[in-house]
Amino acid sequence: NAGVMQNPRHLVRRRGQEARLRCSPMKGHSHVYWYRQLPEEGLKFMVYLQKENIIDESGMPKERFSAEFPKEGPSILRIQQVVRGDSAAYFCASSPHRDGTEAFFGQGTRLTVV
Amino acid sequence: GQQVMQIPQYQHVQEGEDFTTYCNSSTTLSNIQWYKQRPGGHPVFLIQLVKSGEVKKQKRLTFQFGEAKKNSSLHITATQTTDVGTYFCAGTRGSNYKLTFGKGTLLTVNP
Repeated sequence: NAGVMQNPRHLVRRRGQEARLRCSPMKGHSHVYWYRQLPEEGLKFMVYLQKENIIDESGMPKERFSAEFPKEGPSILRIQQVVRGDSAAYFCASSPHRDGTEAFFGQGTRLTVV
Repeated sequence: GQQVMQIPQYQHVQEGEDFTTYCNSSTTLSNIQWYKQRPGGHPVFLIQLVKSGEVKKQKRLTFQFGEAKKNSSLHITATQTTDVGTYFCAGTRGSNYKLTFGKGTLLTVNP
């Protein structure tokens, strides 16, 4: 049973470009969460998705950020027109439980905006 | 909103010394989870505590959940260099699935 798979591990984008971050949850997990981590900070909740549904996106900036979890394929976190402040580590977690317990994290995508 | 405070922010110990990190929530938690993150790595799930006053042990690690379910601690006995990393607590409230993370305690161990 592979863990939570994220790719790419590292992503460099110029200001104004788009960033696409992918996350494949653990087998059997239908709950996906995205978190953002700034240097020397804890993780901040962004969005919670189930298959084909966004359940809660209250932690996601209203502009430029979007997330999806299609019926087939990985969950995608999309950041349009990236700015330097978007530079961070983005972690995806999946859980077998709706309440988010026993969440297992992927290795993260470290986004650098230059 | 819910806040989770974690202290200390940094802790440096000699190998063999004990280490404790404390987590305090502004609100009563449904459960608390602990994660370890190595430098450049990702958070790795360690344990979940659910019951008031619960104590769980994993080898040299002891986890406690306070009676009021608002605080928790992680204690490591006789630290080793492999214990190096940042330890995060994260709590949920009610049926809320959002994990609210503390800022973590970075542990460094001098061999």
